[in-house]
Amino acid sequence: AQSVSQHNHHVILSEAASLELGCNYSYGGTVNLFWYVQYPGQHLQLLLKYFSGDPLVKGIKGFEAEFIKSKFSFNLRKPSVQWSDTAEYFCAVTASGGSYIPTFGRGTSLIVHP
Amino acid sequence: DVKVTQSSRYLVKRTGEKVFLECVQDMDHENMFWYRQDPGLGLRLIYFSYDVKMKEKGDIPEGYSVSREKKERFSLILESASTNQTSMYLCASSTTAASSPLHFGNGTRLTVT
Repeated sequence: AQSVSQHNHHVILSEAASLELGCNYSYGGTVNLFWYVQYPGQHLQLLLKYFSGDPLVKGIKGFEAEFIKSKFSFNLRKPSVQWSDTAEYFCAVTASGGSYIPTFGRGTSLIVHP
Repeated sequence: DVKVTQSSRYLVKRTGEKVFLECVQDMDHENMFWYRQDPGLGLRLIYFSYDVKMKEKGDIPEGYSVSREKKERFSLILESASTNQTSMYLCASSTTAASSPLHFGNGTRLTVT
């Protein structure tokens, strides 16, 4: 069974700072990887996903993530955060050709100070 | 755009009550899921369903049951609510592809007193 580890549970940044949230998974086969975001009071929504091709994927609101297969990682990045990026971020993985049930990390709470 | 609608945003119930949480999706998705979300624990899968009348236990099914009589509707039932079931409950749906993302509802915050 796969598992997902998000190393940073709470991150506090000032506006314009760069962001990198770590996500590592454990699974030996081919995977699909997702980042979801939950803004305060809103539903969880997809930020970006990787399932094949270019390992650098771009999502909404200037976010990007890089899939590094050798490191089993899918870190989320943004060069310059805004106050409106304050949210909870979840990494998730599904196994290609296997169960479609995603395994989620525990989430990272990001607070951006104006 | 996919819409997943949970019938209640907030619920307050008493210990021992039977509680029904309803979820409806409008995109003809085969898969539906119930998660609970607790601070520091992330999302934990309670039950999922891959077809009408089909269900599978997730990681924490104890104290819960589900019903899927129609493709668009997936209900979570707390047979006898307890205080440790106070939580945020999230419903989600997806297609059968492993690369398909989940579409979430707004959540139901349940308080059991």
